[in-house]
Amino acid sequence: SYELTQPSSVSVSPGQTARITCSGDIFGKNFARWFRQKPGQAPVMLIYRDSERPSGIPERFSGSSSGTTVTLTISGAQAEDEGDYYCYFATDKNWLFGGGTRLTVL
Amino acid sequence: EVQLVQSGAVVKKPGESLKISCETSGYIFTTYWIAWVRQTPAKGLEWIGIFYPGDSDTRYNPSFQGQVTLSADKSTSTAYLQWNSLRASDSAKYYCARHGAVGDHWGQGTPVTVSS
Repeated sequence: SYELTQPSSVSVSPGQTARITCSGDIFGKNFARWFRQKPGQAPVMLIYRDSERPSGIPERFSGSSSGTTVTLTISGAQAEDEGDYYCYFATDKNWLFGGGTRLTVL
Repeated sequence: EVQLVQSGAVVKKPGESLKISCETSGYIFTTYWIAWVRQTPAKGLEWIGIFYPGDSDTRYNPSFQGQVTLSADKSTSTAYLQWNSLRASDSAKYYCARHGAVGDHWGQGTPVTVSS
């Protein structure tokens, strides 16, 4: 079965660039999605189709893909960007999630 | 604006039944899949299954097949996740999400606690 591997934590200074990777064989032929989760709030989708941003998501969030690794990049990280970030694969037949990355901005 | 509002936190005893809801608005309910996801500290996020209100097509993660039932009421644009007999291991936070080709919209989650 497939697995998605993310680092458990990433730290970044305010204004710097944070990169969160997600590796999994499933991304060799499929698109990745990303969402952020904050305590007590609904998850918010940030990226779909590896690099597309839903309307309303700031331009500082971007996604990329290389082979079986996808990356979420946050350019100019802000304190409000702290939270748990998850990569995932989703179709109408199956979903699969990474373990999540806790982003700290300090 | 697309919104998915889930029912509130629940505490149940093992063996009891439960039906939690996901009330949607801001789009045509019958044209998007609704997925359900379980989140626990031990296992993280797990996909339970997905339901298409347009024709009631339902697909389950084999790990949850037979343990839960997905359904919906088109008249109220509400999706449901139900159990006939809860177990302590069903304690988790459950999310619904509208699934689309250009992204997913998520509900706020429903905490479920099963304890004697």
